Amino acid sequence: DGGITQSPKYLFRKEGQNVTLSCEQNLNHDAMYWYRQDPGQGLRLIYYSQIVNDFQKGDIAEGYSVSREKKESFPLTVTSAQKNPTAFYLCASSRTGHNEQFFGPGTRLTVL
Amino acid sequence: QQQVKQSPQSLIVQKGGISIINCAYENTAFDYFPWYQQFPGKGPALLIAIRPDVSEKKEGRFTISFNKSAKQFSLHIMDSQPGDSATYFCAARAFYGGSQGNLIFGKGTKLSVKP
Repeated sequence: DGGITQSPKYLFRKEGQNVTLSCEQNLNHDAMYWYRQDPGQGLRLIYYSQIVNDFQKGDIAEGYSVSREKKESFPLTVTSAQKNPTAFYLCASSRTGHNEQFFGPGTRLTVL
Repeated sequence: QQQVKQSPQSLIVQKGGISIINCAYENTAFDYFPWYQQFPGKGPALLIAIRPDVSEKKEGRFTISFNKSAKQFSLHIMDSQPGDSATYFCAARAFYGGSQGNLIFGKGTKLSVKP
């Protein structure tokens, strides 16, 4: 079955720690995205990547970092510089030139 | 100009009724308008989408109405069912000089369909 997987489903972190969220896709999509979802705020774009070894900041990139070393993987690191990291994080992918984005099941991050 | 304004924030509809969610935008460069459906604890999934060259698109019980002059588009769910209870997001994307922009999402509408 093709799709996007995110792990872990739930993640707890102490303040001051960095944490990495995993996103893997086997859809052979070139583009991948990370969104943050907060209640009543919709989806806000953190980072996106149109091709391997290249990525761009989205609207709320401060305190986050990404890498794109493989086509199928786009991990997101939430650093200690992110002031309010507790949120639901969604990864998505799409084919270049195609409109539809496919979303993963999300990771809920809670900072204790 | 990059915003997509969605209303209402929440909506309660009786089973069998019509659910209507509205979105408005300012950026005339937007050329793709999808609606996503999200169940609790899950990622959003594309429900239906429209381009501005048509005024209406229907897929089963779901219809998008698009008013280009008013810069508004809406989702209508006919014969609403309890299984339609979810959060719905409208979105828009622009096309600039040969390349696609990113999706801009509305803030979402939480729909509850009462049996």
